[in-house]
Amino acid sequence: AQKVTQAQTEISVVEKEDVTLDCVYETRDTTYYLFWYKQPPSGELVFLIRRNSFDEQNEISGRYSWNFQKSTSSFNFTITASQVVDSAVYFCALRGYGGSQGNLIFGKGTKLSVKP
Amino acid sequence: DAGVIQSPRHEVTEMGQEVTLRCKPISGHNSLFWYRQTMMRGLELLIYFNNNVPIDDSGMPEDRFSAKMPNASFSTLKIQPSEPRDSAVYFCASSLDRQGQPQHFGDGTRLSIL
Repeated sequence: AQKVTQAQTEISVVEKEDVTLDCVYETRDTTYYLFWYKQPPSGELVFLIRRNSFDEQNEISGRYSWNFQKSTSSFNFTITASQVVDSAVYFCALRGYGGSQGNLIFGKGTKLSVKP
Repeated sequence: DAGVIQSPRHEVTEMGQEVTLRCKPISGHNSLFWYRQTMMRGLELLIYFNNNVPIDDSGMPEDRFSAKMPNASFSTLKIQPSEPRDSAVYFCASSLDRQGQPQHFGDGTRLSIL
């Protein structure tokens, strides 16, 4: 069975702090894909990043970075120098290879509040 | 480029009424997904289409729910009759039908059944 666990339900930080959102996944597939989505207070779901299981290089995009470690089945997301606009619910998701395209498994989400 | 377009953004109706939610996927995307989001259950996949054909509808809660995709640029999710427990945010998403392609979501329809 596939599963995504985001153990942090809510995180609150003060602006300019760094914050890491944890994501741990379970899958028996050797090929799989991991995703992060952002859901701001306005409600839309915004795609942030995709990672495939063969690419363990860390990714950096501006203040955002992602650390993928197969050894610990984790795909953590770090925001450096957080800003109020980063306040949102962040979802980690997993999809195995083959099978149903619809089989995108979401975690429960982590609500990040960045206070000025 | 236009993203996934959903309408209406908000819907408030009385129990027993028929509700129709609409979705226009991103042009060129051949997979379309309907999700429901609630506080209790999080994001749940209801149904997905590939090339306008329903592939997996195991997430559709019951016969009151139905979905159609008459062409590549339009899909509907219908609830008839609606019940208060159907109140949720309904998202439509689309993607290319290739392994690992991300799903791109619409802004959602916030549905309230009184």
